[in-house]
Amino acid sequence: DAGVIQSPRHEVTEMGQEVTLRCKPISGHDYLFWYRQTMMRGLELLIYFNNNVPIDDSGMPEDRFSAKMPNASFSTLKIQPSEPRDSAVYFCASSFSRVGAYEQYFGPGTRLTVT
Amino acid sequence: AQSVAQPEDQVNVAEGNPLTVKCTYSVSGNPYLFWYVQYPNRGLQFLLKYITGDNLVKGSYGFEAEFNKSQTSFHLKKPSALVSDSALYFCAVRDDTGRRALTFGSGTRLQVQP
Repeated sequence: DAGVIQSPRHEVTEMGQEVTLRCKPISGHDYLFWYRQTMMRGLELLIYFNNNVPIDDSGMPEDRFSAKMPNASFSTLKIQPSEPRDSAVYFCASSFSRVGAYEQYFGPGTRLTVT
Repeated sequence: AQSVAQPEDQVNVAEGNPLTVKCTYSVSGNPYLFWYVQYPNRGLQFLLKYITGDNLVKGSYGFEAEFNKSQTSFHLKKPSALVSDSALYFCAVRDDTGRRALTFGSGTRLQVQP
């Protein structure tokens, strides 16, 4: 099993540019989560999907952030325009809907630096 | 609202000694509790969970955790620490409604000295 795959692993961009982060969940998992990790705020849930449908986006910081899941094996998190305060590690995670199987499996993360 | 407290930023223990990483939680209804470990420049790795049943749950790499409902705690333990256990540990909680979002604690850095 390849686990959750994220790309790119590192992204450095200038303020104002568009950034797109990508995620491939574990095959068969029907929940997908996007988190952000910073020293100041720790791990924050941004949004999660069930069967490709956004369920809770209350953690999305502002309209500059958007997320899509066009199919069961792919999701994107887009920031447009990016700002230096968006610098963080962004994690994607997936889980299975079977009762009791509530643990989430995390990808390696994308380290975003906005200069 | 649900929350998790990890009262220690860092725990230091000598190799071979038992270790405990503390976690307390607050949630409406029944809690589902999780421990994750994060190594440098890596994603979070699932260690163990409590959903229901026995209060002592066993997980990966010899770790275990004890659920204590009256104290609202879910401390992570290991009988004999290894240097390779040195990492950042996160406790997480969700309630037993349909909402799948996890709330994470701030993390505890475990340092195991040789």
